Amino acid sequence: EVQLVESGGGLVQPGGSLRLSCAASGFTFSTYWMSWARQAPGKGLEWVANIKQDGSDKYYVDSVKGRFTVSRDNAKNSLYLQMNSLRAEDTAVYYCARDRGTTYSHYYMDVWGKGTTVTVSS
Amino acid sequence: EIVLTQSPGTLSLSPGERATLSCRASQTVSSNYLAWYQQKPGQAPRLLIYGASSRATGIPDRFSGSGSGTDFTLTISRLEPEDFAVYYCQHYGSSPRTFGQGTKVEIK
Repeated sequence: EVQLVESGGGLVQPGGSLRLSCAASGFTFSTYWMSWARQAPGKGLEWVANIKQDGSDKYYVDSVKGRFTVSRDNAKNSLYLQMNSLRAEDTAVYYCARDRGTTYSHYYMDVWGKGTTVTVSS
Repeated sequence: EIVLTQSPGTLSLSPGERATLSCRASQTVSSNYLAWYQQKPGQAPRLLIYGASSRATGIPDRFSGSGSGTDFTLTISRLEPEDFAVYYCQHYGSSPRTFGQGTKVEIK
């Protein structure tokens, strides 16, 4: 069964840091681009970042550039999101998702994890 | 950045009725790189449609997608009880990939 399981969420003060993890199973992790998306309480979805199979290409939404870093460890079938300088507006459920598509850089998200909650508050 | 506007915000229908959801883009979505997702309360989104009209694996054929350019539609031919949820469109033709604000399909 294809599965993504996020962990690492929690309560953090403004300006603090947090590292999210996503454990993948049931598919060949190293052959897929992977994404992070988020959903603020009561709001819609926002794509946050994605990373190429070998980690050589990474893309971010403007609001997190310079603060968040996406990375992966193919040997551990794991995806990560390092979040620094956190702000109240980063409060959200963070989802890990598998990217899918037939054309380079044009990917939809076909498998999603259940998410992990990040709360930024003093 | 492409802005996606979904309408209506809420659709109140009865089981068995037809649902028509709209997604309008602020610019042309290249090659119909448009997806639809379903989200139920407390759950992760689920992919329904990609490429504007291709159903994802395991999605019932009562779900169909259509459209091109800037105007896209998700149609649910006959609503089942499990279809009452929030639906999001998303483009993936350029960066950043953006989502619409969602349409809630609720039981009338």
